[in-house]
Amino acid sequence: DIQMTQSPSSLSASVGDRVTITCRASQSIGSYLNWYQQKPGKAPKLLIYAASSLQGGVPSRFSGSESGTDFTLTISSLQPEDFATYYCQQSYSTPLTFGGGTKVEIK
Amino acid sequence: QMQLQESGPGLVKTSETLSLTCTVSGGSISSYYWSWIRQPAGKGLEWIGRIYSSGSTNYNPSLKSRVTMSVDTSKNQFSLKLSSVTAADTAVYYCARYGDYAVEYWGQGTLVTVSS
Repeated sequence: DIQMTQSPSSLSASVGDRVTITCRASQSIGSYLNWYQQKPGKAPKLLIYAASSLQGGVPSRFSGSESGTDFTLTISSLQPEDFATYYCQQSYSTPLTFGGGTKVEIK
Repeated sequence: QMQLQESGPGLVKTSETLSLTCTVSGGSISSYYWSWIRQPAGKGLEWIGRIYSSGSTNYNPSLKSRVTMSVDTSKNQFSLKLSSVTAADTAVYYCARYGDYAVEYWGQGTLVTVSS
């Protein structure tokens, strides 16, 4: 199985901050990396697919990038509605695997 | 607008079989992969497996011996059976549609508790 290691597991930030979350794959996965946002009691929501493509309807303050087996989700200016848990997921091979999650909390 | 809705018992006895059905509305079940994903309380997401509309399946090796998925295109439904459940199988279970790259649509999730 491909292991996805996310960091940090949690962070505290203020509205307007730039936030960066990293996900590292245990082997090469090309650009087969997706990012999801999950709020308490809700299903995850797709933000970014194929490492850097913005899902329709997702604000442009969210962006994704890649460098080898390292992937980054960036929120350029954190908004109140962005406080949530974020997960990466590889879709390169089955079993599809998720990172452990990053909880973004209010400072 | 595509919608997915999980249904099934919220309580299953230890060693019995968990059975869930996902009903798809607002679109056809044909020509897509349909997945089950679960999340224990306070923990991360675990992919259980997927089924194509033709019936072909891929299961997570960690659960493969206990999982069966099926699809009923006439009812626009797909189903999950997980046998010999234990407390470790207690989780919110999501059904989902996989698009070209990622999970695009999710059900609201249903909590299944395993207890003796």
